[in-house]
Amino acid sequence: LAKTTQPISMDSYEGQEVNITCSHNNIATNDYITWYQQFPSQGPRFIIQGYKTKVTNEVASLFIPADRKSSTLSLPRVSLSDTAVYYCLVGDRGSNDYKLSFGAGTTVTVRA
Amino acid sequence: DVKVTQSSRYLVKRTGEKVFLECVQDMDHENMFWYRQDPGLGLRLIYFSYDVKMKEKGDIPEGYSVSREKKERFSLILESASTNQTSMYLCASNSGTLSYEQYFGPGTRLTVT
Repeated sequence: LAKTTQPISMDSYEGQEVNITCSHNNIATNDYITWYQQFPSQGPRFIIQGYKTKVTNEVASLFIPADRKSSTLSLPRVSLSDTAVYYCLVGDRGSNDYKLSFGAGTTVTVRA
Repeated sequence: DVKVTQSSRYLVKRTGEKVFLECVQDMDHENMFWYRQDPGLGLRLIYFSYDVKMKEKGDIPEGYSVSREKKERFSLILESASTNQTSMYLCASNSGTLSYEQYFGPGTRLTVT
């Protein structure tokens, strides 16, 4: 698994857009970028995955530049309920190595 | 919707007791996982199973064992609980073709006194 670096914490206010950048300088050709969200006292939840350019779903958008050495998770118009820890993972989703390695993640706190 | 359930949300056990944590998934997933989560250490993989009766050690298997007798059920066993096994335990499952999309249960907060 490629090593990832992301900020420890971020603060925001309701209605703002939150962007969390993850660095993964040694990403391999077959690696995908995956983000999970974890609310307090709950298990992590898969939110989005991408390989290059942009991916969007009902929860978030994921922006990946051409060199793929970083990626940005974008949460549009956050609400208090988006307060959570967000984890960035990078790895070959087609491999037989099923192990996920979660780091400390980014704690996002949304204030009223 | 995928559902992963764990037998207890909170558990308190004494040092030396044998502890069983049960996990059940309802999506016919081949793979099941047990993690523990501790502040500052993130999630760490204890064991995983890619088929019935098959298991693989994760990063921190010492002091733990697992059992998978049926496809939908994966049990974590603490042979002799110790205080350093106080933690949040999370079970997850996925299909073999979705390596990075895992579905997690709500977790079991285990306290060993």
